[in-house]
Amino acid sequence: DGGITQSPKYLFRKEGQNVTLSCEQNLNHDAMYWYRQDPGQGLRLIYYSQIVNDFQKGDIAEGYSVSREKKESFPLTVTSAQKNPTAFYLCASSTGARGYTFGSGTRLTVV
Amino acid sequence: KNEVEQSPQNLTAQEGEFITINCSYSVGISALHWLQQHPGGGIVSLFMLSSGKKKHGRLIATINIQEKHSSLHITASHPRDSAVYICALETSGSRLTFGEGTQLTVNP
Repeated sequence: DGGITQSPKYLFRKEGQNVTLSCEQNLNHDAMYWYRQDPGQGLRLIYYSQIVNDFQKGDIAEGYSVSREKKESFPLTVTSAQKNPTAFYLCASSTGARGYTFGSGTRLTVV
Repeated sequence: KNEVEQSPQNLTAQEGEFITINCSYSVGISALHWLQQHPGGGIVSLFMLSSGKKKHGRLIATINIQEKHSSLHITASHPRDSAVYICALETSGSRLTFGEGTQLTVNP
């Protein structure tokens, strides 16, 4: 079955370290997205990519970086510049009229 | 003012009750999405609406574009329906703007 795979499900990071969250889709979707969710708040857009080798900043891009070298993959790096990285991170993909597919998320905790 | 407002924030129901969750918005949209988030965090897309009404099993979603309002209804609610229900607006460039969600608890 097609879908989005996010890994790992839980991730712990020491302060000052960079960490990369994986997102892979086999749906042949052109667009991919990274969202951040904090307790009691709606999802907020970090970065999105509508085509391979191109991506745009979302509303809260500071301290994050992405790449889109392959259609299937859209990894997110949380850098040491992100001041409050502990959160739940969701990856999604879309193909216009058929709507969105979401991954199961990665819960990142800074220790 | 948020572009998208959901109500209620929290809803507790007894099994079998009819449930309505509301979503109001203030911007032009290309589509409105209803999503379901379970305690583990994963999100499932329930509906994508640009007009009218859609039904899937016990779930019904409606949208009134003129009034900028959408509702999600659950008929014959069941404890397994307990989840957070999220309304999201699709605007330019296929970006989504999310509501804060409605926490639904259905008691047996």
